[in-house]
Amino acid sequence: KAGVTQTPRYLIKTRGQQVTLSCSPISGHRSVSWYQQTPGQGLQFLFEYFSETQRNKGNFPGRFSGRQFSNSRSEMNVSTLELGDSALYLCASSSVDAGPQVTRGSNTGELFFGEGSRLTVL
Amino acid sequence: AQRVTQPEKLLSVFKGAPVELKCNYSYSGSPELFWYVQYSRQRLQLLLRHISRESIKGFTADLNKGETSFHLKKPFAQEEDSAMYYCALKRFGGGFKTIFGAGTRLFVKA
Repeated sequence: KAGVTQTPRYLIKTRGQQVTLSCSPISGHRSVSWYQQTPGQGLQFLFEYFSETQRNKGNFPGRFSGRQFSNSRSEMNVSTLELGDSALYLCASSSVDAGPQVTRGSNTGELFFGEGSRLTVL
Repeated sequence: AQRVTQPEKLLSVFKGAPVELKCNYSYSGSPELFWYVQYSRQRLQLLLRHISRESIKGFTADLNKGETSFHLKKPFAQEEDSAMYYCALKRFGGGFKTIFGAGTRLFVKA
């Protein structure tokens, strides 16, 4: 199986612009999560999508948004970019299908990560 | 609130020495805990999960609910173990959310 693919790998934007990042999960994976990785903060959870629905959201401002398509591909968008948005944005997919009713032990929902999109805001 | 704490940002040991990477968590329910590793120029990947009680690359981790810890251990460190290690907690219910600690960089010296 092909791994999680993220595009673009690198991009440079200026303050005030917006950016859209794309993530193609592993075939058959329906859960997609997004993280912001910075040297000082580590991995910060942005949101998680399953079957085109956002099920969880982290503590980020409304400038950060996302969506998932029927083929499980996901995009995240950051509007009105700020210098502090410079980071590596990681996407991860998981094969766990069920929601809260999942039976523990049957599938622990390992996250499979992409290589990330490195965003630099000038 | 759920939280994962890795108190050491950097851990440096000599080859052949034992290594322990600490991880403490706070979570009101029963946690699912993981260790992820990122080697140089590679993707972040799963190392091991507590529910499997497995040993991967010589590493083990035991969940201690009393101390709310999930420390990663290896009796004899190797140079190829040098990497960034992240402890993670997966929350079930209302969708999935995996929370990561800040990470510990392990450097194994020859």
